[in-house]
Amino acid sequence: AQSVTQPDIHITVSEGASLELRCNYSYGATPYLFWYVQSPGQGLQLLLKYFSGDTLVQGIKGFEAEFKRSQSSFNLRKPSVHWSDAAEYFCAVGATNAGKSTFGDGTTLTVKP
Amino acid sequence: DTGVSQDPRHKITKRGQNVTFRCDPISEHNRLYWYRQTLGQGPEFLTYFQNEAQLEKSRLLSDRFSAERPKGSFSTLEIQRTEQGDSAMYLCASSFQGSATYEQYFGPGTRLTVT
Repeated sequence: AQSVTQPDIHITVSEGASLELRCNYSYGATPYLFWYVQSPGQGLQLLLKYFSGDTLVQGIKGFEAEFKRSQSSFNLRKPSVHWSDAAEYFCAVGATNAGKSTFGDGTTLTVKP
Repeated sequence: DTGVSQDPRHKITKRGQNVTFRCDPISEHNRLYWYRQTLGQGPEFLTYFQNEAQLEKSRLLSDRFSAERPKGSFSTLEIQRTEQGDSAMYLCASSFQGSATYEQYFGPGTRLTVT
């Protein structure tokens, strides 16, 4: 069975500081991995995805993530956060046959001015 | 391309009533997914369709829940005899089976409140 753990429920960073959100997954084969962002009352927007190839993937809004198979991790990073990045972030793992995705419980990001 | 749309955006109902939600996927997408999200949790998979065929249902989808996708276009999710525990955000997503990336595009969700 596939599962995702996001160890940090809530993270607070200062505007302009760097950010790293952690994600650990469990999946029997090569996973499809995703990061989504959700603003209050909104649906989910895809930030980036990993399927194969280069383990460092670039996404929208200046985000990147690195797939580390040995650590079963797919951490999200941003070198300098903006106040508009405050939101909830979800990591997800998908099946290779493009079926359902399994989501973590999310990390809420607060940005201090 | 107008994205995935869901209707209604909000629904308040009394316990025991039936409710139905609609999802319109991106027009060329052949897969459609339903998820449920409760406060403080990530989305939980409920069911998905490829065209009009329902390919998988979660154990979360009790007998009171039913989903359809007639003609492989829009989908409806019905909850019969609603309970307070059904209060949640119901998210719909679509994707194209056969694309290289299998991305799921999410709609804005329908927030259900059962009083």
